[in-house]
Amino acid sequence: NAGVTQTPKFQVLKTGQSMTLQCAQDMNHNSMYWYRQDPGMGLRLIYYSASEGTTDKGEVPNGYNVSRLNKREFSLRLESAAPSQTSVYFCASSDTDRESYEQYFGPGTRLTVT
Amino acid sequence: GENVEQHPSTLSVQEGDSAVIKCTYSDSASNYFPWYKQELGKRPQLIIDIRSNVGEKKDQRIAVTLNKTAKHFSLHITETQPEDSAVYFCAASRSRNSGYSTLTFGKGTMLLVSP
Repeated sequence: NAGVTQTPKFQVLKTGQSMTLQCAQDMNHNSMYWYRQDPGMGLRLIYYSASEGTTDKGEVPNGYNVSRLNKREFSLRLESAAPSQTSVYFCASSDTDRESYEQYFGPGTRLTVT
Repeated sequence: GENVEQHPSTLSVQEGDSAVIKCTYSDSASNYFPWYKQELGKRPQLIIDIRSNVGEKKDQRIAVTLNKTAKHFSLHITETQPEDSAVYFCAASRSRNSGYSTLTFGKGTMLLVSP
């Protein structure tokens, strides 16, 4: 099992450019999440998908959109990147259907917006 | 919504000492409390978790205690080793039968264990 995978690992964007971060999991988990991690701020939830076909806003959703493509894949889109979106982005998944709330994280994407 | 406060933000200990990290939460309905360890440049990984129906849980050198009345929980690491050096995050959430909520994380504690 690969667990949770993310692409790309690194990305540099110019202000105003758009991009999509990809996430996939092979553990048959129903719930998936996108976090951003900034120094001294911990992990902040951007969007989550409790089950296939649903998405909800987290703590910091502004400037982002998501798509739960199928049970395995959950993508995060930046439509018009801003320097404030420079961060490390983590995708995670969990099996809340079976009352297991452990979240498994992907390796992260380091995004710089200039 | 839930608010999780974590202290201290940095903690330096000598190898072999014990380390304690404390967290408080605000939502009295929260009933799941995990701790994640993140090594430099790596992803967060679960090291131990506790549910509100128990007061303490141990796994070798690590233990977590929970005080529901005071709404705080703590991570205890005994006989620390240099490989324990990392950032530790606490978190809280509600399970499905309590009105499911996503994890709210504390801001993290950087633990440095000196040889």
